Amino acid sequence: QQQVKQSPQSLIVQKGGISIINCAYENTAFDYFPWYQQFPGKGPALLIAIRPDVSEKKEGRFTISFNKSAKQFSLHIMDSQPGDSATYFCAAPRLSTGTYKYIFGTGTRLKVLA
Amino acid sequence: ETGVTQSPTHLIKTRGQQVTLRCSSQSGHNTVSWYQQALGQGPQFIFQYYREEENGRGNFPPRFSGLQFPNYSSELNVNALELDDSALYLCASSWGGGLTEAKNIQYFGAGTRLSVL
Repeated sequence: QQQVKQSPQSLIVQKGGISIINCAYENTAFDYFPWYQQFPGKGPALLIAIRPDVSEKKEGRFTISFNKSAKQFSLHIMDSQPGDSATYFCAAPRLSTGTYKYIFGTGTRLKVLA
Repeated sequence: ETGVTQSPTHLIKTRGQQVTLRCSSQSGHNTVSWYQQALGQGPQFIFQYYREEENGRGNFPPRFSGLQFPNYSSELNVNALELDDSALYLCASSWGGGLTEAKNIQYFGAGTRLSVL
């Protein structure tokens, strides 16, 4: 079973600080690598996604860095806010018959202190 | 809001019973994937439906089955419920453009919380 290894498991950051979450994947398909944000009792919401032929993508305070040779990608949250406190999941696409499915990391619980 | 709707939001069943969960995909999406998310864990892939046919399955027993309808909505059925089936069940829809299109990002519904007693 292919895995996506996500770290750290939990993260505490001061308001205004930078939150960094890392993921490492095994063999994968050529498709978007997304990050999801999940609040308690809710479904995962797409935060930002990157194509594997791009090394970095920035949307507002959120940046994905992608290192194809190392099979790693990371999420950076700049100027972290208490409202960013949530669980974050990375996912890697895997080729399935005819289309794709996603393998998810185990999640990182982020807490931003006010 | 993603436009992916799931029903019901909560469900309580007892061991051995059967359950059906429903999902309406986002407009324009023809692929539905189902995931099981245990407390404190990441979503685990159950199976995917693409144009009304099962298109890939994770490590789940046959008592987990599904359907996709012509309007691309979907059902997840679980027979002979076990205590370990208690989890949040997530449906995600995507535009399955095939292998030549990198548009398979998945959008999730809010989930159905299933409790098996």
